[in-house]
Amino acid sequence: TQLLEQSPQFLSIQEGENLTVYCNSSSVFSSLQWYRQEPGEGPVLLVTVVTGGEVKKLKRLTFQFGDARKDSSLHITAAQPGDTGLYLCAGGGGSNYKLTFGKGTLLTVNP
Amino acid sequence: DVKVTQSSRYLVKRTGEKVFLECVQDMDHENMFWYRQDPGLGLRLIYFSYDVKMKEKGDIPEGYSVSREKKERFSLILESASTNQTSMYLCASSITAPKTQYFGPGTRLLVL
Repeated sequence: TQLLEQSPQFLSIQEGENLTVYCNSSSVFSSLQWYRQEPGEGPVLLVTVVTGGEVKKLKRLTFQFGDARKDSSLHITAAQPGDTGLYLCAGGGGSNYKLTFGKGTLLTVNP
Repeated sequence: DVKVTQSSRYLVKRTGEKVFLECVQDMDHENMFWYRQDPGLGLRLIYFSYDVKMKEKGDIPEGYSVSREKKERFSLILESASTNQTSMYLCASSITAPKTQYFGPGTRLLVL
């Protein structure tokens, strides 16, 4: 069974701080997605990475896929209250269709 | 712009009622999924479908069934709702590679 562990589970920071959240597994994934979910809403896709070592930037967010395709990180620079939400990572692995989801990191950015 | 819609944002039902949750996607995706999301348990896959009329059980199919008569529509059915089915239900769709899933806004179901 493939598992994705996300850390930290909870993170509360002040506006303007930098932060990194992690997504780790002992399994290799063919692709990895990051989502952000706001309270009462469905997850919204932020990025998909497919190549080991790949780095993608989305404004103040930087996503990295590990060289061995077993882990990923999300770095946010100068966090803003609008970044508040649940950040989920999900990996595409052995199944042709399904993703394995982590349980998420709940980020709160205080003004 | 990709779009997945769900028939209701909030539903309140009584124990024993039959409940239908509908999901429609406009992206011509082959695969569709139903999840439930509960605090501390994350997203759990109930059922998925990889083609019209095709379905496979996910991790927690008990008490649920699904229907996919058209490519764009995937329905989740609670045959006899129970209080432990109170949850947030999320529908998603994807193409087979790279498996990126696109989610609907969710249906928050309360069973009394």
